[in-house]
Amino acid sequence: NAGVTQTPKFQVLKTGQSMTLQCAQDMNHNSMYWYRQDPGMGLRLIYYSASEGTTDKGEVPNGYNVSRLNKREFSLRLESAAPSQTSVYFCASSARDSWGTTDTQYFGPGTRLTVL
Amino acid sequence: AQSVTQLGSHVSVSEGALVLLRCNYSSSVPPYLFWYVQYPNQGLQLLLKYTSAATLVKGINGFEAEFKKSETSFHLTKPSAHMSDAAEYFCAVRRMNTGFQKLVFGTGTRLLVSP
Repeated sequence: NAGVTQTPKFQVLKTGQSMTLQCAQDMNHNSMYWYRQDPGMGLRLIYYSASEGTTDKGEVPNGYNVSRLNKREFSLRLESAAPSQTSVYFCASSARDSWGTTDTQYFGPGTRLTVL
Repeated sequence: AQSVTQLGSHVSVSEGALVLLRCNYSSSVPPYLFWYVQYPNQGLQLLLKYTSAATLVKGINGFEAEFKKSETSFHLTKPSAHMSDAAEYFCAVRRMNTGFQKLVFGTGTRLLVSP
């Protein structure tokens, strides 16, 4: 059971380049999330998907787009990378109980992105 | 809106000493609170969570946390630190938002353990 997987593990981009970060989970979770982690700032939510077919903005969505491809996969796209997007990106997923509440979030290993 | 504050970006202890990592929350409704741990170059994993059942919550690796409503705190403790406990620890609160609940994380506390 792989849990949450992310690709790539590392990436270096030049300003203005685009790229897509991939995330997949095999736990049959309904909800998925993208966070960025910067020193001294904890984790900040970029986008989330409450269920297949829906996506919503989080705390810091500017400069990013997402796609919930199916129940397993949730990708994050940087259309025109900027140095301010240098960060570690984490994908997470969680189940949703019958009351519509989310449970424990399970995290992937992260993607370390540098934008020059 | 719900939020958490972690006091101290770094905490240093000696191996065998008590570990105390502080977290205070702000919430207008009964909160659900979490502690996550992040080992170097890894993702976050759940240590424990409080969901209003018992105020003292036991987690993995010998950690526990006590919910104190009067102090709006949810501090993480471990009686005796091991070298393997060196990591970054995040407190989080579940935030309600139009029926979908998201986690809001604190800024983290890095635990350093010396021999």
